[in-house]
Amino acid sequence: QITLKESGPTLVKPTQTLTLTCSFSGFSLTNSGVGVGWIRQSPGKALECLGIIYWHDEKRYSPSLESRLTITRDTSKNQVVLTMTNMDPVDSGTYYCAHMRALVRGLIITSAYMDVWGTGTSVTVSS
Amino acid sequence: SYELTQPPSVSVSPGQTARITCSGDELPKKYAYWYQQKSGQAPVLVIFEDTKRPSGIPERFSGSSSETMATLTITGAQVEDEADYFCYSTDSSSDPYWVFGGGTRLTVL
Repeated sequence: QITLKESGPTLVKPTQTLTLTCSFSGFSLTNSGVGVGWIRQSPGKALECLGIIYWHDEKRYSPSLESRLTITRDTSKNQVVLTMTNMDPVDSGTYYCAHMRALVRGLIITSAYMDVWGTGTSVTVSS
Repeated sequence: SYELTQPPSVSVSPGQTARITCSGDELPKKYAYWYQQKSGQAPVLVIFEDTKRPSGIPERFSGSSSETMATLTITGAQVEDEADYFCYSTDSSSDPYWVFGGGTRLTVL
């Protein structure tokens, strides 16, 4: 059974850096076709995928946020870490990590989707 | 940028068929996925690759796709199906790479 759980601060100040950890079980992030993604949901309910780290350590980021994001993994601990710099109140919301399945054509990842989500962690950006 | 458009709300009575649509120019070439999100909970995948249902998802949930529109159908909707439903599509060549629709609130009463 695949499970994921997010952890990190619930409150950060503007301009600070947010660091969230996704701890998972039931799969290995080194298995071909597997990834872990980070998705956030605004209080108004819109969902936004921030980035994905894949089994071979390739990372993809949302173009609009790429300059602020870093995703890393620790395969020995079954953890993925999201770092987002220069936090702003508009970044407030619920942050989810999710098990991703990648669709691969040849050597190219053509797409990926979330099939199991963590429970989410709420982050508020306020001074 | 690529967008997926959903109606804000759909309402049906219990036992009726609910249809939630998702329109997007790339849908003829890309798969659609559907997520159910009940209040205070994380999203759950209910349809993947246009028409496939994950194990554990009731048979009353089905998906279809034609031209620029994907549709989630709940045949015989139940009160427990009341939730927000989001469509999703993904294309490594588009910007952004991953797109969610704005979500549809399904009311069953």
